[in-house]
Amino acid sequence: EAQVTQNPRYLITVTGKKLTVTCSQNMNHEYMSWYRQDPGLGLRQIYYSMNVEVTDKGDVPEGYKVSRKEKRNFPLILESPSPNQTSLYFCASSPWGGYSGANVLTFGAGSRLTVL
Amino acid sequence: QKEVEQNSGPLSVPEGAIASLNCTYSDRGSQSFFWYRQYSGKSPELIMFIYSNGDKEDGRFTAQLNKASQYVSLLIRDSQPSDSATYLCAVRLDTGRRALTFGSGTRLQVQP
Repeated sequence: EAQVTQNPRYLITVTGKKLTVTCSQNMNHEYMSWYRQDPGLGLRQIYYSMNVEVTDKGDVPEGYKVSRKEKRNFPLILESPSPNQTSLYFCASSPWGGYSGANVLTFGAGSRLTVL
Repeated sequence: QKEVEQNSGPLSVPEGAIASLNCTYSDRGSQSFFWYRQYSGKSPELIMFIYSNGDKEDGRFTAQLNKASQYVSLLIRDSQPSDSATYLCAVRLDTGRRALTFGSGTRLQVQP
């Protein structure tokens, strides 16, 4: 089954304790992205990657890191989490190009993170 | 000004009615437009996308795009209680920098 898999789905942690949220896709998509979703603010992009070893900042990158060493994986790293990073996080992937149907994002199930 | 704007709702319609959801965007270079549906606590799922001015129909859903006026809308015919969800409008800018910019969504409630 074609899918984007995120782990963990739920996490409660404390301020300053480094954590990684993993994301993996099995569709051979070039493009991967992380979003956070907060009430009233919608989905905001954190980081994205156009392909292996190519990453760039989205709208809200502060406090986050990413890496893309393999095409299928795109982990999100919070080096020193703070309470304002409490949110619902989505990883998404898509093929990339100018053809019809490109850029259609497939989302993971989401990771709900609470930082105390 | 937000790049993609939607009325947060809730938009309440009776079962069987037509629900009309609207979205405006600020960048005239926008190329592609997407509608996603998101149930509470779930991930967004694609309903349809549209690239060209005019209407695009898929079952009970019709997307309408007017680039001159910079708006895109989604019509849901014969609304069902199962359509109750938040509908997200997303726009692909022409920069190649990122895939999609999302609006904050419109919550739709279909009353039985």
